Amino acid sequence: QSALTQPPSVSGSPGQSVTISCTGTSSDVGHFNRVSWYQQSPGTAPKLMIYEVTNRPSGVPDRFSGSKSGNTASLTISGLQAEDEADYYCSSYTSSSTPVFGGGTKLTVL
Amino acid sequence: EVQLLESGGGLVKPRGSLRLSCAASGFTFSNYAMSWVRQAPGKGLEWVSGISASGGTTYYADSVKGRFTISRDNSKNTLYLQMNSLRAEDTAVYYCAKDDIVLMAYFTFDSWGQGTLITVSS
Repeated sequence: QSALTQPPSVSGSPGQSVTISCTGTSSDVGHFNRVSWYQQSPGTAPKLMIYEVTNRPSGVPDRFSGSKSGNTASLTISGLQAEDEADYYCSSYTSSSTPVFGGGTKLTVL
Repeated sequence: EVQLLESGGGLVKPRGSLRLSCAASGFTFSNYAMSWVRQAPGKGLEWVSGISASGGTTYYADSVKGRFTISRDNSKNTLYLQMNSLRAEDTAVYYCAKDDIVLMAYFTFDSWGQGTLITVSS
């Protein structure tokens, strides 16, 4: 199973919005509404930010939102804050009954 | 509070073996599928293996199939990963991760351990 495709890096200024894309295929992102997003700060374990494409776990700010169109899922962070600077990974369930991660996107808050 | 504590990492020679453990607490371990996810130095996340809540079904990435074996002991609230025929490319931090759906291998991970580093080198 090939990794999902994410841009290596995105950036934005405080208060702005940024969107991170996650492109898969009709065998993963396009077929299942089981896309998750994880945030990972340096030296720490990943943290679940979005599950089932659009749902936020309790405690995750509503500045974080997810969506999907066709084979591409997206994570949007609005009202960017310095603390949002981290690596972000998408993940999807696949037709092989296993998950696959994206390559990761480094978010820089300017 | 959910806690996952990995152990067993270290330096191992190519073609060697190692067993990782993940001690779980703060939730009913036997109700949740579990997985191992790894991260090579400076690289992204890679799902490695998963196991159903009962332990009756296991899942593997192609990159480790036939070399790694996942198991669990629900009486001890512990997840394991037996790694054989290790290669340099297996060098990574290995995380254990808890599924967020009861009794299903859903592969959405709502809790992670702090990770344990495996270095495969001669």
